[in-house]
Amino acid sequence: AQSVTQLGSHVSVSEGALVLLRCNYSSSVPPYIFWYVQYPNQGLQLLLKYTSAATLVKGINGFEAEFKKSETSFHLTKPSAHMSDAAEYFCAVSDRGSNDYKLSFGAGTTVTVRA
Amino acid sequence: GAGVSQTPSNKVTEKGKYVELRCDPISGHTALYWYRQSLGQGPEFLIYFQGTGAADDSGLPNDRFFAVRPEGSVSTLKIQRTERGDSAMYLCASSPANTPVLGQFFGPGTRLTVL
Repeated sequence: AQSVTQLGSHVSVSEGALVLLRCNYSSSVPPYIFWYVQYPNQGLQLLLKYTSAATLVKGINGFEAEFKKSETSFHLTKPSAHMSDAAEYFCAVSDRGSNDYKLSFGAGTTVTVRA
Repeated sequence: GAGVSQTPSNKVTEKGKYVELRCDPISGHTALYWYRQSLGQGPEFLIYFQGTGAADDSGLPNDRFFAVRPEGSVSTLKIQRTERGDSAMYLCASSPANTPVLGQFFGPGTRLTVL
């Protein structure tokens, strides 16, 4: 089964600073990889996904992520944090193949943005 | 258009009682998923429906948990003889088909508290 690790359960950044959230997967075959954001009392919203050959993926709200096979990583970045980016972020993976529907989530990273 | 809806948003029950959690997917979505999210953790897969049938129920923790989707739209997650360990956020998601390329769309969740 797929597993995913998110380094850092909490990240605090200043408004306008770079946001970097880390995600590493465990499998030898690159999986499908997703980043979701969860605001308080709301469901998960898809930010972006890696499902094809394009290694640099741009998502909503100014976020992007780069797939690096050599590092088994798909880290999420945003050049300039905004107060509205304060939320919990989850990285999720699924197998390529017959179980591609089954998402395995990391433990999440909570982002706080300082004024 | 309307997103995935879940009712109730909050459910408080006593140990040993029976509960039903409802999920109304996005219209036209054939695939439906249930996840459970415990405090401080990422969501964990419970069950996946393609149409009316449960294609994969391997994530259901035990036989007290059961889910149905009789007409291929609304789904109900049923928990018998609830235990305090069942307390969690229960998330429902849907997608146009069983392919991750299209992404899973999540509802706001039902927070279940078992006293």
